[in-house]
Parts: sequence; C-alpha cells; structure tokens
Amino acid sequence: KQEVTQIPAALSVPEGENLVLNCSFTDSAIYNLQWFRQDPGKGLTSLLLIQSSQREQTSGRLNASLDKSSGRSTLYIAASQPGDSATYLCAGSFSSGSARQLTFGSGTQLTVLP
Amino acid sequence: GAVVSQHPSWVICKSGTSVKIECRSLDFQATTMFWYRQFPKQSLMLMATSNEGSKATYEQGVEKDKFLINHASLTLSTLTVTSAHPEDSSFYICSALHGGSEKLFFGSGTQLSVL
Repeated sequence: KQEVTQIPAALSVPEGENLVLNCSFTDSAIYNLQWFRQDPGKGLTSLLLIQSSQREQTSGRLNASLDKSSGRSTLYIAASQPGDSATYLCAGSFSSGSARQLTFGSGTQLTVLP
Repeated sequence: GAVVSQHPSWVICKSGTSVKIECRSLDFQATTMFWYRQFPKQSLMLMATSNEGSKATYEQGVEKDKFLINHASLTLSTLTVTSAHPEDSSFYICSALHGGSEKLFFGSGTQLSVL
C-alpha cells in the first residue's frame, strides 16, 4: 500500500522568506503528484500538478519538483506572504490504485508571520 | 475553472439521526466523484468512489450500510451518514472528476458534529 509523508508537520517563517515543503512517497510507480492548499474549515485548491513524465511545474511564486527515483517531491514558495498561511497537502496517483484516486499526505501547516 | 458545490458546509445533529451531504458539479458533468473524510490535523482518507448509475466502491474498513452513497445524475452525488454517532464527527469532502481534463475539483467540505 502506498504511503505519502509530509515533513515538517508545521512551519513558521517570517514574511519574505523563501521556503521548501517536502513530500515523500513509497511507490515509485506514480502517475502524477499534486500539491493542494487547504484553508481552515475549507476544501482544497489545486496548486500544481506534475505528471510522471515531468520533473517540475511552476506557477507564479510556486515551483514543484518531482523525483520518482528517490520518491520525493518539493514545493518551493518564493518571497512568502502572510496570505500564504494555510495547510499544504501533497497527493499522488499510483499504479497500484486507480489513476484517478489520490493518496494524500498529512499536510504541512504553514504560518507566514508579518 | 470548474466548480463543485458541497452542501451543507456544517451540520450539527443528535446521535442516532441521519445526515445527507450533497456534492454538485455546477458547470460540468462528473461520471465519477470521490468522498473523503478528514479528522483534525490529519490527512484526507478516501472513503468511496461514486460512479453515476452504479453502486459505489467503498474502501476497506468503510461500512457501506453506514455511509450510503447515491450518484443518480451526472452532476449530483450524495453521502448519507445513517444513525450518526459522535465518532462519525469529522470533516467530509467530495471531489468530482472533470472528464475532459481528467482533473479533480473539490467541494468546500462539510463539518459534521454529532452530539
């Protein structure tokens, strides 16, 4: 059974800092990996989707990378802002399950201090 | 982008009652929808896959008679928590698969509190 792990569980940084969130997975046969943002008591907003054939995706201040061989993905946030404060979840689709099913990590709760 | 509406956003009920949660894809048809539950500070756990016009597929450990799923149309799936108990209190989130893009869009979630 595939597992997705995120560290750290919580992170607090001052405004303006660049930061990296980590995600690791046990099944290297991955279809794609996604990063989501979740605000308290809310649903999920998709940030970036990386297909297995890709190594990274960028959107604005966000950059996500995927290394299948090491079973890792990172989400890089540049010039962090207080509005970036949220829980960030990574989720993967694996060959051992339906390509449409996602296995989620437990998330990293980010706080950006003004 | 595509929009998925989930209703209600929160509900409080007495133990033993049933609660229905709706998940609607507003501007696209979704033959497949997913239901997740999330406990505080934990990740989303897939409960079941809902397919339009057929029976839902439940994950191991999820009681199908406890969590009734109906996907009667291409834009609506419902999750009914039957005879709810305090341990069913959780955050429930649905997602709908946009067939054209193969992307998943999530509802805003339902916080269920069973007294």
